[in-house]
Amino acid sequence: DIQMTQSPSSLSASIGDRVTITCRASQTINNYLNWYQQRPGKAPNLLIYAASNLQSGVPSRFSGSGSGTDFTLTISSLQPEDFATYYCQQTYTTPRTFGQGTTVEIK
Amino acid sequence: QVQLQESGPGLVKPSETLSLTCTVSGASISAYSWNWIRQPAGKGLEWIGRIYTSGSINYNPSLKSRVIMSADTPKNQFSLRLSFMTAADTAVYYCVREVEGAARSFDYWGQGTLVTVSS
Repeated sequence: DIQMTQSPSSLSASIGDRVTITCRASQTINNYLNWYQQRPGKAPNLLIYAASNLQSGVPSRFSGSGSGTDFTLTISSLQPEDFATYYCQQTYTTPRTFGQGTTVEIK
Repeated sequence: QVQLQESGPGLVKPSETLSLTCTVSGASISAYSWNWIRQPAGKGLEWIGRIYTSGSINYNPSLKSRVIMSADTPKNQFSLRLSFMTAADTAVYYCVREVEGAARSFDYWGQGTLVTVSS
């Protein structure tokens, strides 16, 4: 299985901060890397697909980059609704695997 | 608008078999791939398996011996059966659509259904 490792596991930030979350795959996954946001009690929501493509309807403050094994999700200016848990996922092969999640909390 | 809705029992006894159904509206299950994901309370996401357009099925090796997925095209539904349930299988179960091709991603999710394993 491909292991996905996110860092940090949690972070505290303020409204307006720039936030960066990283995801590393245990082997190359080309750009088959997706990012999801999950708010408490809700299903995950697709933010970024294929490493850097913004899903329709997602605010432009979210962006993704990377290829191969190292990837980044950036929130350019944190908004109140962005406090949530973020997961990366590889769809390069099965089994599909997710990172352990990064929780973004209010400072 | 694409919608997915999970249905099934919220409580299952240990050693019994869980049966869940996902009803899809706004899209044909003959297109795309369809997945099951689960999430124990306070924990991360675990992929269970998928059934896709060719009719092929992939399972997570960690669950493969206990899982069966199937699809009912006329009803536009797909289903999950997970046997020999234990407390470790207590989780929210999601059905999810997967876009195929270069943009492989999970773009539509059901709201999730909580399944508790307890006697």
